[in-house]
Amino acid sequence: SAVISQKPSRDICQRGTSLTIQCQVDSQVTMMFWYRQQPGQSLTLIATANQGSEATYESGFVIDKFPISRPNLTFSTLTVSNMSPEDSSIYLCSVRMAGPETQYFGPGTRLLVL
Amino acid sequence: QKEVEQDPGPLSVPEGAIVSLNCTYSNSAFQYFMWYRQYSRKGPELLMYTYSSGNKEDGRFTAQVDKSSKYISLFIRDSQPSDSATYLCAMTLIQGAQKLVFGQGTRLTINP
Repeated sequence: SAVISQKPSRDICQRGTSLTIQCQVDSQVTMMFWYRQQPGQSLTLIATANQGSEATYESGFVIDKFPISRPNLTFSTLTVSNMSPEDSSIYLCSVRMAGPETQYFGPGTRLLVL
Repeated sequence: QKEVEQDPGPLSVPEGAIVSLNCTYSNSAFQYFMWYRQYSRKGPELLMYTYSSGNKEDGRFTAQVDKSSKYISLFIRDSQPSDSATYLCAMTLIQGAQKLVFGQGTRLTINP
């Protein structure tokens, strides 16, 4: 498995501001993902973070709102831009070591937007 | 209709009971099936995975896949209070991007 850390673990932000979430893995991984988990809901994939190129976004998510960087094989950031209360959620970093049966999740970042 | 359906519960059982958690799905092309456990205020933890049909056992946990019925189950024997968590099923295709599709999660409480 992989040890995944996320910073910050939680934050309270004002609407209209932006927050950057960092994800660090203890080993090189083939794929990194960003998910959102709204209260009482399941996990929704935001995007796949591609090393050295633009992220691949899922339907309903756009780069201007959720810019993602992945400068190397162990680190990625997700920015939540121009936040509104609807962005209040848990944001989870996830990595895949090899096949889909080796996908692991970070502890999450709990975001509250006022 | 969602691709993966999972009863959100909550499910409350006494300690020592056998727990059955289930998901149904609509895409017959799904081949990988995972179960994640998520404790409160934590990220999901990969519990078990199976490929295609059949059973897989790991200690007190058994994962079962019935592809003909598009139905998967997770059984927990001799349930413990420490098993209290939300259990999420997830599945994916064997080819392509292999993005995980999650169920809503079932909140389970084991009462001492």
